[in-house]
Amino acid sequence: KQEVTQIPAALSVPEGENLVLNCSFTDSAIYNLQWFRQDPGKGLTSLLLIQSSQREQTSGRLNASLDKSSGRSTLYIAASQPGDSATYLCAVRRDDKIIFGKGTRLHILP
Amino acid sequence: GAVVSQHPSRVICKSGTSVKIECRSLDFQATTMFWYRQFPKQSLMLMATSNEGSKATYEQGVEKDKFLINHASLTLSTLTVTSAHPEDSSFYICSAALDGPRIGAQYFGPGTRLLVL
Repeated sequence: KQEVTQIPAALSVPEGENLVLNCSFTDSAIYNLQWFRQDPGKGLTSLLLIQSSQREQTSGRLNASLDKSSGRSTLYIAASQPGDSATYLCAVRRDDKIIFGKGTRLHILP
Repeated sequence: GAVVSQHPSRVICKSGTSVKIECRSLDFQATTMFWYRQFPKQSLMLMATSNEGSKATYEQGVEKDKFLINHASLTLSTLTVTSAHPEDSSFYICSAALDGPRIGAQYFGPGTRLLVL
């Protein structure tokens, strides 16, 4: 059974710092891995999607890496801003199922 | 990009009533839609997979007679919470999968917050 774990569960950092969020999964047979952002009480915003054949994806200040063999992914946020404060969810997909981690609650201190 | 809408965004109802939530893919056809539920501070949990024109596939532990899913067209799936109880209060999110070879392209709706009094 696929399990997705995100560490840390919560993180507070001063504005401007670079930071890394971690995601691990137990079954490496995945189609892809996706990072989402969720603001309180809101739906999901897809940030980056990495196919199983890819090793990383970049969008603006965000960079996500995937090491499928070791079951790990990281989301790197450069030059953090208060507007980055949200919960970040990692999710892996196999077949038609997406399994989510519990997320990392990120708080950027002004 | 592909847009998925949900209606209503928020609903409050009395215990024992039924609530219908709509999920629409606005600019693409989705043969498959998914329904998730998220309790406070918990991860999203898949409830069921909805395929156009056929019966939904429910995850273990999800009561199909309580959570009725109808995928009547390629752009609309509905989730009906029947005889809602306070423990059904949650955040319900749908997603829709694009047809074609773009495996993994699922687009999520904004969610519906249900509060059962």
